Formats: sequence, structure tokens, C-alpha cells
Amino acid sequence: DAKTTQPNSMESNEEEPVHLPCNHSTISGTDYIHWYRQLPSQGPEYVIHGLTSNVNNRMASLAIAEDRKSSTLILHRATLRDAAVYYCILRDSTGNQFYFGTGTSLTVIP
Amino acid sequence: ETGVTQSPTHLIKTRGQQVTLRCSSQSGHNTVSWYQQALGQGPQFIFQYYREEENGRGNFPPRFSGLQFPNYSSELNVNALELDDSALYLCASRRHQNTEAFFGQGTRLTVV
Repeated sequence: DAKTTQPNSMESNEEEPVHLPCNHSTISGTDYIHWYRQLPSQGPEYVIHGLTSNVNNRMASLAIAEDRKSSTLILHRATLRDAAVYYCILRDSTGNQFYFGTGTSLTVIP
Repeated sequence: ETGVTQSPTHLIKTRGQQVTLRCSSQSGHNTVSWYQQALGQGPQFIFQYYREEENGRGNFPPRFSGLQFPNYSSELNVNALELDDSALYLCASRRHQNTEAFFGQGTRLTVV
């Protein structure tokens, strides 16, 4: 199974950018990189995904290393509502499975 | 467009019993996946259904089984419950296999 490695926890000050790293050294050429976040007592929520190129959407940006062995989720201005566990996930080429790691718990300091 | 809904929200069962958890997928979504999330852990993939057929399975024993109905709603059945089955069970639906997944709020199962 493809695996991801993330720091257990990170802190950020409110309204500052946050860079959440993820290592996925065993990624295969057709695995997509997905990011989800999970707020307390809720199911995971989609944030962003990509394959090779950097991606931007209204929530965040995803920077993917050239060798695809790592990626970084960028929240441009952290808010208190961004406090959550962020999961970096590999989706296999069949699209049939998501491999969650233990995630990074983000604390946003007012 | 309604979201993914799961029922019940909480459930307490005794070891050895059987349980059925239900999931209504988001409108227009034909792919449903189930996950088990133990306390403090990330979700673990159980299995996935696409158009009423199981098309992916994680490392879970056969006593974890499921169904998907013609309206794409789904059930997760667990037989012979064990204490370690206590977890949050999450259902996620997708429009098709290569799109983002939408998760329900989960069912909190406690086995005593």
C-alpha cells in the first residue's frame, strides 16, 4: 500500500500562511495526491488534489515536488476555522481506495 | 443537492452481536466507500461499491460486509462484533471514481 508521512502537529498564528508537508516516497506514477481535513466531530472534508502540477483553489494551494515524492498544502491565511486534522492521501490509479495516514493536527493561534 | 447522511449517529452493541449501519449517498453519486476510524487514528478503508458491485476492499475480515442498492444508498454490516470494532464508521460518496469524495458525519459504534 502506498503510504504518506506527515508531522503529527503544527501551529500557526491567525492570518499567517501555513505550509503543511507530506512525504510519499513510494508514490506510483499514476497515484493522485489528495488532501482532506477533518474538524472535530465531523467527517473529512475535501480540500484539494493534484497529480503532477501545482494546483490552486479557493481553499488552498498544493505544491508537488518535481519527483512527486513530497507535497505541501498551503493555506494562504490561516483562520480559526482552519484548525483541524489535515490528511495527505494517495489515491490509487483505479480510484478504488484512499490511503489515509495519521494526519497533521493544525492549531491556529489567535 | 443533499449531502451524505448516515444513520444512526450513535450505537451501542454487545460483543458477539451484529450491526447494520446505513448511508445515503449524495444525489447523483454512484460510488460509495466505507471507512473505520479508531480514536486518534486516520480513517482506514474498508470497501467500496460502484453501481451495486464491490470493487475495492481493504484489510478487513469477511465479517465486514456491505451492500449498495439501486438508488446508490449503502449498508455496512458487521457480524460477531469485537471490542476493537468500536470506532467511528464513515461513509463517503463520489459522482464517479475519479472525483472528490464527500463524507458523512459518521456513526459512532461502541462495543461493550
